[in-house]
Formats: sequence, C-alpha cells, structure tokens
Amino acid sequence: QKEVEQNSGPLSVPEGAIASLNCTYSDRGSQSFFWYRQYSGKSPELIMSIYSNGDKEDGRFTAQLNKASQYVSLLIRDSQPSDSATYLCAVNPQYGNKLVFGAGTILRVKS
Amino acid sequence: SAVISQKPSRDICQRGTSLTIQCQVDSQVTMMFWYRQQPGQSLTLIATANQGSEATYESGFVIDKFPISRPNLTFSTLTVSNMSPEDSSIYLCSSRSTANTEAFFGQGTRLTVV
Repeated sequence: QKEVEQNSGPLSVPEGAIASLNCTYSDRGSQSFFWYRQYSGKSPELIMSIYSNGDKEDGRFTAQLNKASQYVSLLIRDSQPSDSATYLCAVNPQYGNKLVFGAGTILRVKS
Repeated sequence: SAVISQKPSRDICQRGTSLTIQCQVDSQVTMMFWYRQQPGQSLTLIATANQGSEATYESGFVIDKFPISRPNLTFSTLTVSNMSPEDSSIYLCSSRSTANTEAFFGQGTRLTVV
C-alpha cells in the first residue's frame, strides 16, 4: 500500500463546475496535510494546508480533512481553465519531517 | 512564505561530468530537502540536507553520486556526479521552517545529460 494515494486522472470538468480531488494516506498518526498545484514545467506551489478535522476555505479552494477515514480532499469551486494543472497531496507522517507526496491528479478544466 | 532561488534553471551536460545545483533561501530555515522529478512523475526525495553535518539519504540514493552540502541555514548545494542519461530529470530544492509547516520549492533545475 502506498503511503499517500491519489487518483492519477485526468479529471475533466467543465468551466464553472466544482472539481473534487481526493487523497488517502496510510499513517493514522499523520499531523499535517498540504495541497500543491504544479503547472507543466513549473515547480509545486502551495495552495492549502490543513491540520485539523473539518473544512478550511480559502477563496475558491476548500480543503477537507477526515482523520478517522484517513482522507483529505480539495474542492475547487467555479473551476477555470487556469486551474488546469497537476495537484499533489502531501502528508507529514507522525514521525519525521519529510513530506510524503502522492503521485498527483491531473485536472483539466474545459471552457 | 520562504523565497527560494535555485540555479541553474536548466543545463545540458555531457555524460561523465558533474553538475552542482545551488539553492538559496531568503530566510533561515530548519530543514532543506532535495527532490528529483522525472517527466510525468511525482516527487522523489533524494536527501535531507543537514546543516553542519552529512546529509541523510533516501533508499536508492548515495552520497558518492549525489553529494550535498549545507554550510548554513540558508544555503545548500546538490551535485550530480558522473552523470549518465538516466540522470536527466528536474531537480528541486525545498525548505521548511519547522516540522509540520508548509514546504516551499525552488523553481527547479532541468538537467539533460547527453
């Protein structure tokens, strides 16, 4: 079992729709969770961080964390073509300082 | 958020040679990391750069191939030694101020070995 799992996609949504990206992790004691966006040829860019159960909203982005289910998700409302990118889920395990990254989900927003 | 300057941004190198990549953070950070990213793949951690001591390497990566220096809390280098075409990849520097905080990335170095 991979430590952090994401559906590789591509996930295709029409412009203006809600894009839902999902991530599961194996270390139940994980403390912190992050979503990164990576455009082709660019380095990862932090979008959201979440540390406690529930929802965290920032503009069009909402991160959701459920530690009991070991599940973290990212919702993008009013999706725009500029949101088309690879989204990486990263988890800090209970022990250690190294982030563990998922394989990433490719999102395509069609106008 | 930390601003990380990484250079060179890209290079084309001959096999058998070495390339040193530099990473400069605009503030003192506890942790610095080096990643490799193959085309279409996710990030693979090469090593944790430790200030004033030897880097901690992940399985599959060795110091002779990827020597790392970290002389202070804002600067690190990664050398890719005795390069082969299989080393062609994007190399990324990353920093975290403390445990459980966000990681920030440099702009990456696109290395092509011919």
